[in-house]
Amino acid sequence: NAGVTQTPKFQVLKTGQSMTLQCAQDMNHNSMYWYRQDPGMGLRLIYYSASEGTTDKGEVPNGYNVSRLNKREFSLRLESAAPSQTSVYFCASSEVSAGVPGANVLTFGAGSRLTVL
Amino acid sequence: GESVGLHLPTLSVQEGDNSIINCAYSNSASDYFIWYKQESGKGPQFIIDIRSNMDKRQGQRVTVLLNKTVKHLSLQIAATQPGDSAVYFCAVVNDYKLSFGAGTTVTVRA
Repeated sequence: NAGVTQTPKFQVLKTGQSMTLQCAQDMNHNSMYWYRQDPGMGLRLIYYSASEGTTDKGEVPNGYNVSRLNKREFSLRLESAAPSQTSVYFCASSEVSAGVPGANVLTFGAGSRLTVL
Repeated sequence: GESVGLHLPTLSVQEGDNSIINCAYSNSASDYFIWYKQESGKGPQFIIDIRSNMDKRQGQRVTVLLNKTVKHLSLQIAATQPGDSAVYFCAVVNDYKLSFGAGTTVTVRA
């Protein structure tokens, strides 16, 4: 059982380049999330998808776009990368649909380390 | 919004001693709390959770205490082992949204 799989694990971009981070989960979870982790700041929510076909902005959405391709896959796209987007990105999923009050334990992927020069 | 803070960014513990990691939150309406462990190079992993109608919950070598009066929760690790070296995050759930603290780095001394 792979859980949440993210690709690539590492990526170096030049300012202005674009790229897409891929995420797939095999747990049949309804909700999927993208977080970024920066030193001393914990995890901050970029975008989330409560269910297949829906996406919503999180705390720090500027400079990003997402696509919930199907129930398994949720991608994060940087259209024009900036040095401020240098970070470690985590995809997560949860069984409970976001928007439904209650338990919301997230399962995280291993992370994608992105450096923008 | 929710503000989540940790009292100490780092904690050094002697192997075999107990560890206590603290977390404070701001929203008295928060209804669910989760502790995560993040080992180097990996994503956060669920350790234990507690609902707002409880004040204590125990797992295997871990205990979470919730004090809603002062909006504080703690994670206690019994008989700390080298494998417990990691960054620990508390997450506070309001409705369905999680807010994470900055993390406490626990280092276990042999």
